[in-house]
Amino acid sequence: GNSVTQMEGPVTLSEEAFLTINCTYTATGYPSLFWYVQYPGEGLQLLLKATKADDKGSNKGFEATYRKETTSFHLEKGSVQVSDSAVYFCALSDQSTNAGKSTFGDGTTLTVKP
Amino acid sequence: DVKVTQSSRYLVKRTGEKVFLECVQDMDHENMFWYRQDPGLGLRLIYFSYDVKMKEKGDIPEGYSVSREKKERFSLILESASTNQTSMYLCASVGAGQGIDTQYFGPGTRLTVL
Repeated sequence: GNSVTQMEGPVTLSEEAFLTINCTYTATGYPSLFWYVQYPGEGLQLLLKATKADDKGSNKGFEATYRKETTSFHLEKGSVQVSDSAVYFCALSDQSTNAGKSTFGDGTTLTVKP
Repeated sequence: DVKVTQSSRYLVKRTGEKVFLECVQDMDHENMFWYRQDPGLGLRLIYFSYDVKMKEKGDIPEGYSVSREKKERFSLILESASTNQTSMYLCASVGAGQGIDTQYFGPGTRLTVL
């Protein structure tokens, strides 16, 4: 079956530091890959997505590249801000097997200190 | 702007009570989901529905049931609440069709069972 493994947290960084959160996946079909973000007290919202190999998703300074050869979708940001403090979830959706369903990683809590 | 709403942000119930959590989406989405979110366990799928009156069990359906009488509304029911059902409950929806795979989440209901 499908699975997502993401870097364990929590992660604590100083403002303007470089961020990487690792994510690897296992899927039987051709999944779309996602990063969702959950700010304190809120539900999840889409941060970025990529739908095929070598696609790069980007939003709000965050980037992730769909690497089929390493089955990875690592999240990066060059300079984090205090407002980036949140929980980040890597996820995949494989429409060839379970239309609409997504498989989520366990989430990584990021805290950015001023 | 897409919107998923949940009936309550915070709820406190007694052991043995019947609890209803309501979720409404305004995007005409076919697929709707209920998850629970617990520290260290990520998101776990309770039930999902791919059409009106249709439902399927997720990974942890025990102690829960669901109802989908209208396309826009998906209810989660705790038949007899127990303390181990204290959790954050998240509803999500997604449309159907190729390439339509982003899940839209509500703000969550934090349920405490005493």
